[in-house]
Amino acid sequence: KNQVEQSPQSLIILEGKNCTLQCNYTVSPFSNLRWYKQDTGRGPVSLTIMTFSENTKSNGRYTATLDADTKQSSLHITASQLSDSASYICVVSADSNYQLIWGAGTKLIIKP
Amino acid sequence: EPEVTQTPSHQVTQMGQEVILRCVPISNHLYFYWYRQILGQKVEFLVSFYNNEISEKSEIFDDQFSVERPDGSNFTLKIRSTKLEDSAMYFCASRETGGTEAFFGQGTRLTVV
Repeated sequence: KNQVEQSPQSLIILEGKNCTLQCNYTVSPFSNLRWYKQDTGRGPVSLTIMTFSENTKSNGRYTATLDADTKQSSLHITASQLSDSASYICVVSADSNYQLIWGAGTKLIIKP
Repeated sequence: EPEVTQTPSHQVTQMGQEVILRCVPISNHLYFYWYRQILGQKVEFLVSFYNNEISEKSEIFDDQFSVERPDGSNFTLKIRSTKLEDSAMYFCASRETGGTEAFFGQGTRLTVV
């Protein structure tokens, strides 16, 4: 069964600290993996998209990694800011269609 | 910057009533999607739409649901007879031909009472 699992469920860190969020997936065939940021009550906003051949992708203070062999991805946030408080969702696309498989998200809270 | 817009932002309706959720995709996009997110749960795919027809739908998208592109700019989701369990955030997304990125609207919060 195609599934995306994320950990931790929630995370609280102090402003300025770094953190890493994890994503494991069992999706086949794999097309791409995305990380979205979702503020409460808002639509998801894309941070990165990675295909099978990409190991690392950065978007400002966000760096995503992908290990297609172990089917794991991580999202590293550097020098966190209060505005980083949101849910971060890992989403995997099984093939060229768009029935994305969504993780439950990690709720990140940045405290001053 | 172009964006997907959804209206209304919040709709309250009585059980059994019909609702229409509206979306204006980004203007040069041809692929459209509806997703929903029940409070505290994962985002779930409902339907994809291309070339004036449904290209894929999930098991959630039963006969109570329908989608339409009534004109050149709007893309609507209709729920024929709402149930309490239809209460959720509904997100519209659009994608351009050949693109991998879908752009999401801000969502419509539907509350069925």
